Amino acid sequence: AAGVIQSPRHLIKEKRETATLKCYPIPRHDTVYWYQQGPGQDPQFLISFYEKMQSDKGSIPDRFSAQQFSDYHSELNMSSLELGDSALYFCASSLGANNSPLHFGNGTRLTVT
Amino acid sequence: AQTVTQSQPEMSVQEAETVTLSCTYDTSESDYYLFWYKQPPSRQMILVIRQEAYKQQNATENRFSVNFQKAAKSFSLKISDSQLGDAAMYFCAYRRGGYGGATNKLIFGTGTLLAVQP
Repeated sequence: AAGVIQSPRHLIKEKRETATLKCYPIPRHDTVYWYQQGPGQDPQFLISFYEKMQSDKGSIPDRFSAQQFSDYHSELNMSSLELGDSALYFCASSLGANNSPLHFGNGTRLTVT
Repeated sequence: AQTVTQSQPEMSVQEAETVTLSCTYDTSESDYYLFWYKQPPSRQMILVIRQEAYKQQNATENRFSVNFQKAAKSFSLKISDSQLGDAAMYFCAYRRGGYGGATNKLIFGTGTLLAVQP
C-alpha cells in the first residue's frame, strides 16, 4: 500500500538559508499535518491543512510557512534558518480531519550548520 | 489544553518477559482517542495500538495490549513476550474526537525509551 512520501530524506543547509520540505499524502487523503521533532524530543505540532485550507496552527515560527496544493501535497517553507531548526520534520496524512488514523512519513532530517 | 504525561523516561525488559509503559493524560473532552506509537532507531513513527475513549474494552494487537482507565485518565501499554525488535522509543498520544472546527492533531507525551536485554 502506498505510504506518505516525504522529500528530501536529508537536507543540509547553512544559517540564514531557505529550505523547502515536501510531503505527498496517501492517495485520497485530504488532511496533512506537519510535526517537528528535535533531538531527544517528542514531536511538536506545527500546522495542518484540510482540503487545501489551513485548519490548525501550533508552534510554527513566523519564518516558516506552508501550504497544501490542489493535488493535496504539501510544502513547508523555512526561511532564515537557525541552528535550532535542526530537527526531524514529519508529515502525516489522514482521510478527513477528525477521526481517521494519522499515517506518518519517514521524515526529513534537516541539519542547519 | 490537553496534556499527555509519560513519567518513565527509560525502561528495560528481558527478552520474552512482559513490560508495562505508563501514560496519563488530562482532558475535559468526552470524545477522544488514545494511541501508542513506536519510534525505532530509524526514527520512523509506527502506530502500535489505538483506543477509542467510548469503548470500555481494552484494545489488543497481538503481543501489545492496553489498560485504559478512563476515570483515572490512565492509558498504559503492556508488551508481552518482549522481543529484541521491540526496543524503541514509545510515545503515548492523545487526539480529540468529533469536529471542533479544526483538524484534530495528535498531542504526544515525552516518550519512554525501552531497552530489551537478550
